[in-house]
Amino acid sequence: AQKVTQAQTEISVVEKEDVTLDCVYETRDTTYYLFWYKQPPSGELVFLIRRNSFDEQNEISGRYSWNFQKSTSSFNFTITASQVVDSAVYFCALSEPTNDYKLSFGAGTTVTVRA
Amino acid sequence: DAMVIQNPRYQVTQFGKPVTLSCSQTLNHNVMYWYQQKSSQAPKLLFHYYDKDFNNEADTPDNFQSRRPNTSFCFLDIRSPGLGDAAMYLCATSGQNEQYFGPGTRLTVT
Repeated sequence: AQKVTQAQTEISVVEKEDVTLDCVYETRDTTYYLFWYKQPPSGELVFLIRRNSFDEQNEISGRYSWNFQKSTSSFNFTITASQVVDSAVYFCALSEPTNDYKLSFGAGTTVTVRA
Repeated sequence: DAMVIQNPRYQVTQFGKPVTLSCSQTLNHNVMYWYQQKSSQAPKLLFHYYDKDFNNEADTPDNFQSRRPNTSFCFLDIRSPGLGDAAMYLCATSGQNEQYFGPGTRLTVT
């Protein structure tokens, strides 16, 4: 069963628009970690954020913000005022102690920002 | 500044010719991972080391082997590459549950 679901395969926006990427996860562990990674065309996976299951505080980092809702098992990611450099594939991932802390990735969402 | 280094960035090998990809880290992390990522797919874990303890994923083909001679270095050996092994190979390290990825090696099999 898919542990992490990213329902949006592709999103295309015009520069300066906001874009929200959805991530829904499934786990029976009470302690777990959630991540977002960015993969630009160069191929490198860039770590964006880690959130542990006990910390539901939303976070903002520049134009990026994350909304963790434990009640709905979601960890959504918003890019505000998108720029062309935000064009990439974004992966949500889950890490669980019962899975040896290995990363379970979602399928990824491709974001294209047009000038 | 580079923390996880992969060499080479691009590798071309011939069908059936053994190839080795290398990864090194300056983070002194005790866990190292190798992932295979094919086009338009998420990374797929092949194996990982916790210190010198090797952990193979159940569905990793025998064609893929790994060596970790010390904390800093880890190698991926593909004994007889097939056309289906063409992919991006990503190395990652972890110290406190966060995984840091290298830039990847894009393998082409001709």
